[in-house]
Amino acid sequence: QVQLVQSGAEVKNPGASIKVSCKASEYTFIGYYIYWVRQAPGQGLEWMGWINPNSGDTDYAQSFQGRVTMTRDTSTTTAYMELSSLTSDDTAVYYCAKVLEWQQIKGALDLWGQGTKVTVSS
Amino acid sequence: EIVLTQSPATLSLSPGERASLSCRASQNVNRYLAWYQQKPGQAPRLVIYDTSNRAAGIPARFSGSVSGRDFTLTINSLEPEDFAVYYCQHRSNWLTFGGGTKVEIK
Repeated sequence: QVQLVQSGAEVKNPGASIKVSCKASEYTFIGYYIYWVRQAPGQGLEWMGWINPNSGDTDYAQSFQGRVTMTRDTSTTTAYMELSSLTSDDTAVYYCAKVLEWQQIKGALDLWGQGTKVTVSS
Repeated sequence: EIVLTQSPATLSLSPGERASLSCRASQNVNRYLAWYQQKPGQAPRLVIYDTSNRAAGIPARFSGSVSGRDFTLTINSLEPEDFAVYYCQHRSNWLTFGGGTKVEIK
């Protein structure tokens, strides 16, 4: 069925990097922008950036610029989010989500991955 | 940057009652506001988009409206599965989210 399936939970040391995958199924992957959103424990939702799966174009929230890289592999319909220089403040659940409307940069997010729990601890 | 302020932080209601959740935008905005429902341990789920359109599979007891800068999500006759946290979101320069309203069982 139509879904986004993310990679599993990870535990990382401070200073390390994390790469989370998000595999899309049963829809036209290149037609819908994908966002990455994170949620720290007990907190709200924070957007990190987006990728256009068709062109590979990206835009990142200012608070993550220089530390985040979003990529995609159209052959496997998978999006990736890599975050470097991890600190304990990066402990969170990371979600990928697709935009509702065809080729719209911004909009409602109508399909979410199940989330990837990332724990940063020494 | 548009800031979305949700109120109240917590709404304590009984099943069968009506819930009204508010999301106020810091400046005049268009109708591109969405609402999400999130239950513990689950990803958010789109409920309403573009102020008043129900997402696929969302029951008719959920509705959205706007008056000026004040957006409202109304849930008529709360069902047990409706108790959750609700977030509003606007497609401004950034994908802004509100801080959330928890609808809990009274």
